[in-house]
Amino acid sequence: GQQLNQSPQSMFIQEGEDVSMNCTSSSIFNTWLWYKQEPGEGPVLLIALYKAGELTSNGRLTAQFGITRKDSFLNISASIPSDVGIYFCAGRSNTGKLIFGQGTTLQVKP
Amino acid sequence: GAVVSQHPSWVICKSGTSVKIECRSLDFQATTMFWYRQFPKQSLMLMATSNEGSKATYEQGVEKDKFLINHASLTLSTLTVTSAHPEDSSFYICSSGLAGGYNEQFFGPGTRLTVL
Repeated sequence: GQQLNQSPQSMFIQEGEDVSMNCTSSSIFNTWLWYKQEPGEGPVLLIALYKAGELTSNGRLTAQFGITRKDSFLNISASIPSDVGIYFCAGRSNTGKLIFGQGTTLQVKP
Repeated sequence: GAVVSQHPSWVICKSGTSVKIECRSLDFQATTMFWYRQFPKQSLMLMATSNEGSKATYEQGVEKDKFLINHASLTLSTLTVTSAHPEDSSFYICSSGLAGGYNEQFFGPGTRLTVL
């Protein structure tokens, strides 16, 4: 079945640093979504990407839909302590279902 | 974005009992809702797709007789874990969205189930 490889698995950075994480797949996706999840809560949608090559920003977050439609990255600029959480990529296949990456745990040191 | 709520937010039950979890769309009509399960430090795994007025579609390996799904209205889907056992303890999350949730999916806050 379809799988998403998300990296890195975890990051521990200093406040103010930029962060980059990415997802790759062996299959093509029609939509890429990036979510953030905090402990004990459901994932919150950060950015949705619908077209290959699309670059979208949401405040300090920037994400891109890879040209091959098999990858996507998320950048966070000038990280702050409240960026702490687990970030998931998700790809939507032709069946409409979301396939999730394994998650990137981000910790920010003040 | 679309708002999805869940109830209860947590539940503790004895082994062998059944537990019902509700998922509601608050500001839109949800023809389709999705149920996920998440174990500690793991990603979300789709359990089933809930369709209003018809039978749910279960993912491979998910027992439909154990995880009963009812989607009787456009704003409510329920997941009932029947004869729960400790291995069913997990974080259950539902999602939905506009256009049947097949573009952006918005998640509920989740339900933490602990089976003793």
